Amino acid sequence: DAGVIQSPRHEVTEMGQEVTLRCKPISGHDYLFWYRQTMMRGLELLIYFNNNVPIDDSGMPEDRFSAKMPNASFSTLKIQPSEPRDSAVYFCASTFDGSYYGYTFGSGTRLTVV
Amino acid sequence: AQSVTQLGSHVSVSEGALVLLRCNYSSSVPPYLFWYVQYPNQGLQLLLKYTTGATLVKGINGFEAEFKKSETSFHLTKPSAHMSDAAEYFCAVSRGSSASKIIFGSGTRLSIRP
Repeated sequence: DAGVIQSPRHEVTEMGQEVTLRCKPISGHDYLFWYRQTMMRGLELLIYFNNNVPIDDSGMPEDRFSAKMPNASFSTLKIQPSEPRDSAVYFCASTFDGSYYGYTFGSGTRLTVV
Repeated sequence: AQSVTQLGSHVSVSEGALVLLRCNYSSSVPPYLFWYVQYPNQGLQLLLKYTTGATLVKGINGFEAEFKKSETSFHLTKPSAHMSDAAEYFCAVSRGSSASKIIFGSGTRLSIRP
């Protein structure tokens, strides 16, 4: 398996623009997580899905952030409009059977908003 | 609720010396415990995990950790540090059931001196 695949690896955008980050989980995994990592705040859980249904979005910072999982093999995290404080590395992770096996992380998308 | 505390945001050891990264957890139920490693510009990678059974857990790259319930600890050790061990290490905990989320610590950056 190719692992969790995220795209793009790097994204530079101007403040106010819409940004879409993409994630393909490992085939057969039924949980998908979106995390944000910054120096100041560390690793933050934004939202997670089980069987394509959002279970907990309490970590989504504000209405500018939205996430979807239209099918078992694809998820998006959208920021509209983007702001400089959204600059961070965004990770997607997936697993099956909850936490027992741990999570498999993607390589991340480094977002820079200028 | 579960939580995890990593003692020391930065640890520096000499090459060949013992590596000890400290982690204490809080959980009202038997936990699952994890250690992850993150190399620069990469995602988090599972080093080892404890779910049930033997309390000394061996992981990849020569690392091991011991679950000590009486001390609520899950410290990570390696007998002899290599330069390639330089990375960020995250301790994590979950409720010990399949449906639970994994809660990550704030991370410890390990530096290796030549």
